[in-house]
Amino acid sequence: AQRVTQPEKLLSVFKGAPVELKCNYSYSGSPELFWYVQYSRQRLQLLLRHISRESIKGFTADLNKGETSFHLKKPFAQEEDSAMYYCALRGNTGNQFYFGTGTSLTVIP
Amino acid sequence: DVKVTQSSRYLVKRTGEKVFLECVQDMDHENMFWYRQDPGLGLRLIYFSYDVKMKEKGDIPEGYSVSREKKERFSLILESASTNQTSMYLCASQQGAQPQHFGDGTRLSIL
Repeated sequence: AQRVTQPEKLLSVFKGAPVELKCNYSYSGSPELFWYVQYSRQRLQLLLRHISRESIKGFTADLNKGETSFHLKKPFAQEEDSAMYYCALRGNTGNQFYFGTGTSLTVIP
Repeated sequence: DVKVTQSSRYLVKRTGEKVFLECVQDMDHENMFWYRQDPGLGLRLIYFSYDVKMKEKGDIPEGYSVSREKKERFSLILESASTNQTSMYLCASQQGAQPQHFGDGTRLSIL
């Protein structure tokens, strides 16, 4: 079974502090992992995917197969980063996506 | 740019009514999805479709059905609405190796 775990429902950090949103997965195969973000009153949108290995809005995420993790990190949080973040995994069939329960990030000014 | 359009942002219906939520995408994507989004539960897949007239149950299909008569349109149907179906409903489309693209969502209230 595929499963995505985001252990933190709520996370608050001060502006300028580092932030890490945790994501662990359970998967029998080669996973494809994503982070999606939903800003207030906006649609859910892709933030980054592990195969791209790029930094978006200062965020990075590295797939750690040994720890089955895909944590999202940013060295210096900004107020505009306040949003709901979802980790997602793409399943074996290629057209099934499994989402975590989400982490609500608040960046305190 | 992919556009996924959900017909209503807000909808209020009564218990027992038959409710239709419509979703249209403009990128000729094969795959379309319906999720419900609830606080603390994240996104849960209700149904998805990988082609016209083809559908697969997701994790929580009970109380719902879907229709995909045309490639661009994927409808979610609540056969007899109940208060526990009050939620935010998200539609997404996707093709090949690409990630999903989401609509704005429909906030449905069942009274």
